[in-house]
Amino acid sequence: GAGVSQTPSNKVTEKGKYVELRCDPISGHTALYWYRQSLGQGPEFLIYFQGTGAADDSGLPNDRFFAVRPEGSVSTLKIQRTERGDSAVYLCASSFTTNSPLHFGNGTRLTVT
Amino acid sequence: QQQVKQSPQSLIVQKGGISIINCAYENTAFDYFPWYQQFPGKGPALLIAIRPDVSEKKEGRFTISFNKSAKQFSLHIMDSQPGDSATYFCAASTGGSARQLTFGSGTQLTVLP
Repeated sequence: GAGVSQTPSNKVTEKGKYVELRCDPISGHTALYWYRQSLGQGPEFLIYFQGTGAADDSGLPNDRFFAVRPEGSVSTLKIQRTERGDSAVYLCASSFTTNSPLHFGNGTRLTVT
Repeated sequence: QQQVKQSPQSLIVQKGGISIINCAYENTAFDYFPWYQQFPGKGPALLIAIRPDVSEKKEGRFTISFNKSAKQFSLHIMDSQPGDSATYFCAASTGGSARQLTFGSGTQLTVLP
């Protein structure tokens, strides 16, 4: 079956602009996660959803970052007033339940110029 | 604060050799320890995971060794193949699940033909 799909695969934006990154999880997976991976580093937890609600958003770096999952399936990570330091690969993952293994997408590479 | 320390940063092994990657953690509340494999341009993929009630887990050519008292765990790749060349990440989380993973900084493995 289809894996986790993330769009766009690449996004270049100017400093100060607003961006939205989309994640389509594996069908039937109730849990959805966002991670950020800087060059040469391991992924860093941002937020996870159980159903429609954000169960843990403790990894969001500041209030410029926000994520939604209104119908319990597709999720959007929103970044306001982008900064050059936001440049990274944003990874989405889903799992059948929170006790199940994570399946990662291939990420969206965000470059802020 | 880096809670999961991974070494070495890079590793070169001959085909057929054993690759060993080590991780150490600080948070004694961690109780789930997965290893992920990542190829360039792809998201991390779960290889194998262990919980602290066992000291070793083997799946095919991949083995995790776990030392709870030393707060260390390692990945052994037996009969390493060129196709194993990738970046490997250890990770850890609490609650016995993968809800909020803390990743190591990664090991770039190169297996020479």
